[in-house]
Amino acid sequence: KQEVTQIPAALSVPEGENLVLNCSFTDSAIYNLQWFRQDPGKGLTSLLLIQSSQREQTSGRLNASLDKSSGRSTLYIAASQPGDSATYLCAVRRNSGTYKYIFGTGTRLKVLA
Amino acid sequence: GAVVSQHPSWVICKSGTSVKIECRSLDFQATTMFWYRQFPKQSLMLMATSNEGSKATYEQGVEKDKFLINHASLTLSTLTVTSAHPEDSSFYICSASLEGWTGGIEQYFGPGTRLTVT
Repeated sequence: KQEVTQIPAALSVPEGENLVLNCSFTDSAIYNLQWFRQDPGKGLTSLLLIQSSQREQTSGRLNASLDKSSGRSTLYIAASQPGDSATYLCAVRRNSGTYKYIFGTGTRLKVLA
Repeated sequence: GAVVSQHPSWVICKSGTSVKIECRSLDFQATTMFWYRQFPKQSLMLMATSNEGSKATYEQGVEKDKFLINHASLTLSTLTVTSAHPEDSSFYICSASLEGWTGGIEQYFGPGTRLTVT
């Protein structure tokens, strides 16, 4: 059974810091991995999607890497801003035969002005 | 593009009544939609996979007679919580799958529906 864990569970940093959020999964046979952002009481916004054959994806200040063999992904946020404060979730899609995603436990990020 | 809406955004109902939540893909057709529930400060738990024109597939432990899912068209799926109880109070989120520009299947999420059962 696939389990997805995110460390740390919560993080508070001053504005301007570069930071790394971690996601680990127990079954390396994944099809892809997706990072999401969730603001309080809101739905999810997709940030980055990495296919199993890819090593990383970049969008603006965000960079996500994937090491499938070790069951890890990291989300790097450069020059953090207060507007980045949210919960970040990673999710893995198990295989190409299903669209189901298994979500991680999330990291609650607070960037202090 | 790829916008998913939900209605209502929040609802309060009395114990024993039924509540229907709608999920719509506004600018694309989605053959597959998903329903999740999220308790406070917890992650999303998949409840069921909804396929247009067929019966939904429920995850283990989810009562299909309590959480009725109908996917009547390529742009609409509904979740009905029947005989709601206070423990059903939660944040319900739907998503729809669409092939993204990277070639992978991405999920686009609705804004969620906050259900409170009194």
